[in-house]
Amino acid sequence: EPEVTQTPSHQVTQMGQEVILRCVPISNHLYFYWYRQILGQKVEFLVSFYNNEISEKSEIFDDQFSVERPDGSNFTLKIRSTKLEDSAMYFCASSESMWFNTEAFFGQGTRLTVV
Amino acid sequence: AQSVTQLGSHVSVSEGALVLLRCNYSSSVPPYLFWYVQYPNQGLQLLLKYTTGATLVKGINGFEAEFKKSETSFHLTKPSAHMSDAAEYFCAAFTGGGNKLTFGTGTQLKVEL
Repeated sequence: EPEVTQTPSHQVTQMGQEVILRCVPISNHLYFYWYRQILGQKVEFLVSFYNNEISEKSEIFDDQFSVERPDGSNFTLKIRSTKLEDSAMYFCASSESMWFNTEAFFGQGTRLTVV
Repeated sequence: AQSVTQLGSHVSVSEGALVLLRCNYSSSVPPYLFWYVQYPNQGLQLLLKYTTGATLVKGINGFEAEFKKSETSFHLTKPSAHMSDAAEYFCAAFTGGGNKLTFGTGTQLKVEL
């Protein structure tokens, strides 16, 4: 069964450092997403990506964040100058079409800990 | 703004007992509604979804949910819990005008012998 793969499963970084979270979406999917869940809080939308550009982003997704699809298979989330409050579980997802037309598949998540 | 509320961050049931996980939404228009499950160290997996049509939706692993517009609810049920149902369950809603899901805070289901 096809799946979305995220690496690493756990990342620890020092405050102020840059991190790149990696995702391999399902190969025939066209829409890609990043969500995050701070411990004990809701899963929050960060950004959606389609046709090699951001289609929507939340207020959380400020200049500290960027996304890229560098090689047609990977989908990355870069966080520049990490802060303590960036500590969270980050989920990548992909879908063939928009949410209501098809299923979105989620990865297992990357737990980011900023110390 | 749309929101999704899951009552009870932790629910514990006995094996064989009814599972009821509650979800309410606030939206000016009927949303599309989803339940996801997350097993330990795995991604979010779609259990079921409601878009249009029949309000009682059946999903995988014997789960079902009923969309009740009058109550703005989409509660998840399973007649008989199994140990393998222990996981975290997330309710989510999509109302269009964008391409994002709004999630609830999740409910951790514990199944005891």
